[in-house]
Amino acid sequence: SQQGEEDPQALSIQEGENATMNCSYKTSINNLQWYRQNSGRGLVHLILIRSNEREKHSGRLRVTLDTSKKSSSLLITASRAADTASYFCASWNQGGKLIFGQGTELSVKP
Amino acid sequence: DGGITQSPKYLFRKEGQNVTLSCEQNLNHDAMYWYRQDPGQGLRLIYYSQIVNDFQKGDIAEGYSVSREKKESFPLTVTSAQKNPTAFYLCASSSFREHIGTEAFFGQGTRLTVV
Repeated sequence: SQQGEEDPQALSIQEGENATMNCSYKTSINNLQWYRQNSGRGLVHLILIRSNEREKHSGRLRVTLDTSKKSSSLLITASRAADTASYFCASWNQGGKLIFGQGTELSVKP
Repeated sequence: DGGITQSPKYLFRKEGQNVTLSCEQNLNHDAMYWYRQDPGQGLRLIYYSQIVNDFQKGDIAEGYSVSREKKESFPLTVTSAQKNPTAFYLCASSSFREHIGTEAFFGQGTRLTVV
């Protein structure tokens, strides 16, 4: 069972442009997280937003959360070629499982 | 350094053979997880454990087994009953604060190939 569905599945942009990825989830959450995965590597935690927060920033990352729509977005500003990776949203379900979306594959062309 | 370590990085399995993937963490996390990732896909949960000597099935547990005898270790065995084991396996750990999960830390993964 996938808690999160992400959109788009793939995104290709030029260096310097902004990248926006969206995530929708099904059940109520305490927090929602975004992770990054470079090809063939483990996931790295990027940012966590709590259910009582609407927006959070970390460097060039901006995450929003709309609990009424059960959706979140990740914005990467001024993208760089090194941002090329897959990005996943994840949330905890009531049973203590951390469930991931299918991910967005981001390609940033120099 | 604190972290989570998976070994080996690459593993080859013959048909009908059981293999065990290692996962060790020194983060003092109570919870540990095993995920499977197929090419171009998201992560699917195999097993998870929130406390020593206890674990629960995830969404795709058939053909896999785990143990949690120590807090630091959560090995995954891919049995011969798993008909399509070729995949990338990821182990993760996390802590819980007031019963709410926090961020998860991942190992670098084990790529298992059936030969």
